[in-house]
Amino acid sequence: GAGVSQSPSNKVTEKGKDVELRCDPISGHTALYWYRQRLGQGLEFLIYFQGNSAPDKSGLPSDRFSAERTGESVSTLTIQRTQQEDSAVYLCASSETSRPYNSPLHFGNGTRLTVT
Amino acid sequence: KQEVTQIPAALSVPEGENLVLNCSFTDSAIYNLQWFRQDPGKGLTSLLLIQSSQREQTSGRLNASLDKSSGRSTLYIAASQPGDSATYLCAVRTTGGGNKLTFGTGTQLKVEL
Repeated sequence: GAGVSQSPSNKVTEKGKDVELRCDPISGHTALYWYRQRLGQGLEFLIYFQGNSAPDKSGLPSDRFSAERTGESVSTLTIQRTQQEDSAVYLCASSETSRPYNSPLHFGNGTRLTVT
Repeated sequence: KQEVTQIPAALSVPEGENLVLNCSFTDSAIYNLQWFRQDPGKGLTSLLLIQSSQREQTSGRLNASLDKSSGRSTLYIAASQPGDSATYLCAVRTTGGGNKLTFGTGTQLKVEL
């Protein structure tokens, strides 16, 4: 079956512009995560969605970052007024509903964002 | 605050060798630990997930162990192949840590012909 799909795969933008990144989780997975991976650093948690519950936004680094999810499907991560330090690979992951804490995460290939 | 450390940061071995990658974590109150591999320019591929009540998990040439009380996990790769070259990441889900996994910075493995 299809895995987690992210688009675009690469995005180059000028400082100050807004960008929108998209994630299509595996069908039937209601848990969805966004992570950021800066060059040479570990993955940083950004935000978590589980079904219709309020999202866990505790990892968002500033109010320039926001994310939405429509029901149990597509999610978009929006970064407003991009800064050079936002340059990173943004990874999306999903996991099964029934045991979200004990199910493995399945990652997409990420969106590589470069802010010039 | 949970911290995850992976040693070594990089490792180069000849093909056919058995090897061990190490992962340590500071807070032993975890739900589970997961090992991933990441190929250049790609996302993460899940290899093994060990629940907190388990001691080890096996998949093919891979064996992951968990010693929760000492905050350690190892990933054993038997008869390494050039195709095993990748970065290996471990991640823990901490009880009371909300919904996130805490990742180590990875071990970059190169298996040479």
